[in-house]
Amino acid sequence: NAGVTQTPKFRVLKTGQSMTLLCAQDMNHEYMYWYRQDPGMGLRLIHYSVGEGTTAKGEVPDGYNVSRLKKQNFLLGLESAAPSQTSVYFCASSYSRPTGNTIYFGEGSWLTVV
Amino acid sequence: QQQVKQSPQSLIVQKGGISIINCAYENTAFDYFPWYQQFPGKGPALLIAIRPDVSEKKEGRFTISFNKSAKQFSLHIMDSQPGDSATYFCAASGPYSGGGADGLTFGKGTHLIIQP
Repeated sequence: NAGVTQTPKFRVLKTGQSMTLLCAQDMNHEYMYWYRQDPGMGLRLIHYSVGEGTTAKGEVPDGYNVSRLKKQNFLLGLESAAPSQTSVYFCASSYSRPTGNTIYFGEGSWLTVV
Repeated sequence: QQQVKQSPQSLIVQKGGISIINCAYENTAFDYFPWYQQFPGKGPALLIAIRPDVSEKKEGRFTISFNKSAKQFSLHIMDSQPGDSATYFCAASGPYSGGGADGLTFGKGTHLIIQP
């Protein structure tokens, strides 16, 4: 059972380039999330989805876009990367709303923007 | 506005000692308080969680104490072991201030080192 899988694991981008992070979960979860983790800042929610075809903004959505065309996949896009987007990105999923439901995290994607 | 405040930022405990990490929250709409454990290079994983209708929950060496009136909760690790060395995050679940579905709001994390 793979759980939550993120690709790529590492990426270096030049300022202004675009890229997409892919998240896949095999647990038939409705909710999916993208978080970023920065030193001393904890985990901050970028965007989330409560089901196929839905997306919503989280705490720090600026500069990112997402899509949930299939229930098992949640894509995070950076249209024009900036150095401030250098971070570790975590995808996560849960069966339903977080209250009372375990949120399962992927192993992270390390992104450096130079 | 930081909705979940976690302390200390780092903690060193001797093997066999008790590790205590504290969190305070502001939003009274929060209704679920999990703790996550993260090892280097890995994603966070759920350790233990509590709802506000109980004051304490214990699972093995890990205990959450919850004080609803003070809006505080803490993680206690009894008989701390070197394998417990990790970063610990408290979190709270409830409606985002902007409305919409629930989400998890995380504290900034505590880097715990258990010295052998």
